[in-house]
Amino acid sequence: QSALTQPPSASGSPGQSVTISCTGTSSDVGGYNYVSWFQQHPGKAPKLMIYVVTKRPSGVPDRFSGSKSGNTASLTVSGLQAEDEAEYYCSSYAGSNNWVFGGGTKLTVL
Amino acid sequence: QLQLQESGPGLVKPSETLSLTCTVSGGSISSSTYYWGWIRQPPGKEMEWIGSISYSGSTYYNPSLKSRVTISVETSKNQFSLKLSSVTAADTTVYYCARHDRWQQTFDPWGQGTLVTVSS
Repeated sequence: QSALTQPPSASGSPGQSVTISCTGTSSDVGGYNYVSWFQQHPGKAPKLMIYVVTKRPSGVPDRFSGSKSGNTASLTVSGLQAEDEAEYYCSSYAGSNNWVFGGGTKLTVL
Repeated sequence: QLQLQESGPGLVKPSETLSLTCTVSGGSISSSTYYWGWIRQPPGKEMEWIGSISYSGSTYYNPSLKSRVTISVETSKNQFSLKLSSVTAADTTVYYCARHDRWQQTFDPWGQGTLVTVSS
């Protein structure tokens, strides 16, 4: 299976909004509403931020939101804060008991 | 609060078998709701799901790694393990364990990760 495509970097100033894309195919992102987003700070474990495209786990600020259109999923971070600077990864169920991930996007808060 | 911790050798010789264990604390591994998975991240490449196992031993493996991967579970120790055979330098990476929610198709929480280097 192919990996999901993410831009290597994204940036925004404090208070601004930034959107990170995750492009797959009709066999993964486009075929299932099972897209997740993970945040990872250097040296730390990845943390689940969004699952089933739009849901936030308890404790995740509502500044983080997810969406999907066709084969592309998106993570939007509104009201950027310094602590949002991290690497973000998407994942998707790809059918036949298989899961795929993106290459990660480094979000910089300017 | 559920926590996962990977352990195992940080250095493995080429052609040998990589062995890692994930210890689950703060909860039981014997839950029918969840599987338990291994994920790795080669430098400069995307994360790669390796495989997952249920508490009863049912397994799913990444087709690209299936011929070399074995995942097992030891419920009495609240642990599950990964074996990857015939390793090469391409298997040098950070390995993570995570709880795999098969209903929501996601991974949460994750362990801190452990770096395994394949070198003679």
